[in-house]
Amino acid sequence: QQNVQQSPESLIVPEGARTSLNCTFSDSASQYFWWYRQHSGKAPKALMSIFSNGEKEEGRFTIHLNKASLHFSLHIRDSQPSDSALYLCAVGNNAGAKLTFGGGTRLTVRP
Amino acid sequence: GPKVLQIPSHQIIDMGQMVTLNCDPVSNHLYFYWYKQILGQQMEFLVNFYNGKVMEKSKLFKDQFSVERPDGSYFTLKIQPTALEDSAVYFCASRIDERLFFGHGTKLSVL
Repeated sequence: QQNVQQSPESLIVPEGARTSLNCTFSDSASQYFWWYRQHSGKAPKALMSIFSNGEKEEGRFTIHLNKASLHFSLHIRDSQPSDSALYLCAVGNNAGAKLTFGGGTRLTVRP
Repeated sequence: GPKVLQIPSHQIIDMGQMVTLNCDPVSNHLYFYWYKQILGQQMEFLVNFYNGKVMEKSKLFKDQFSVERPDGSYFTLKIQPTALEDSAVYFCASRIDERLFFGHGTKLSVL
C-alpha cells in the first residue's frame, strides 16, 4: 500500500523567494512522479513530472527525484503571488494505474 | 487545454437517496478515474476504469458505489444509498498517456 507524504503542510514566502516542496513515498517500485497544482475551487492541474532519477527544469520550476531515498521535490525560483495554491505530489506504479496523492502543501506568496 | 467536465458542480441530497455524478472525459482518453476529497484532507483514489471495466478499486469504493460509461457517454459514479460520510468533493479524471486531467469536482452534501 503506497504511502505518500508531503512537507511542509503550509508555507508562506515573500515574492522573489526560492521555494522548496517535499514529497516522500513508500513503494520503491514507483515509476511516475508528478506535481499538481490546485487553485481554490478549481481542478488540480498537472504541473511537472519526472520518470527517472535526477533533475528536470521547466522555466522557474525544477523537479528533483531520488528513488533510493524515496523522495522527490519541487523547487520554485523567483516565487510569484500567482504561484499561491495547493501543491499536490502524486506517485504511480505503472501506465494506466492509479496515482496516489500526498496531502498537499498550501503555498502563499506574499507580494 | 483538454477539459474534463463534471455535472453538477454541487448536489445536495438526503441520506439514503441515490445520487449519480456525471463526468464528460476528454474525448480520446481511454482511462477514467474517480477520486474523493473531504474538505482539508487528502485526495483519495476510489476507482479506475478502462475498456468498459473496473481495473482497480480502493477500500473506499463501497458496495453502494458503482461506475459505468454506457456507449461512450458520461462516465458516472452512482451511490445508492448515500450515507453522511459520503459528503465530499468527487473529482473525475481521464488520461491517455501519463497525465491525469481532472474536472472541477462535484461537491456532494448528504444531509
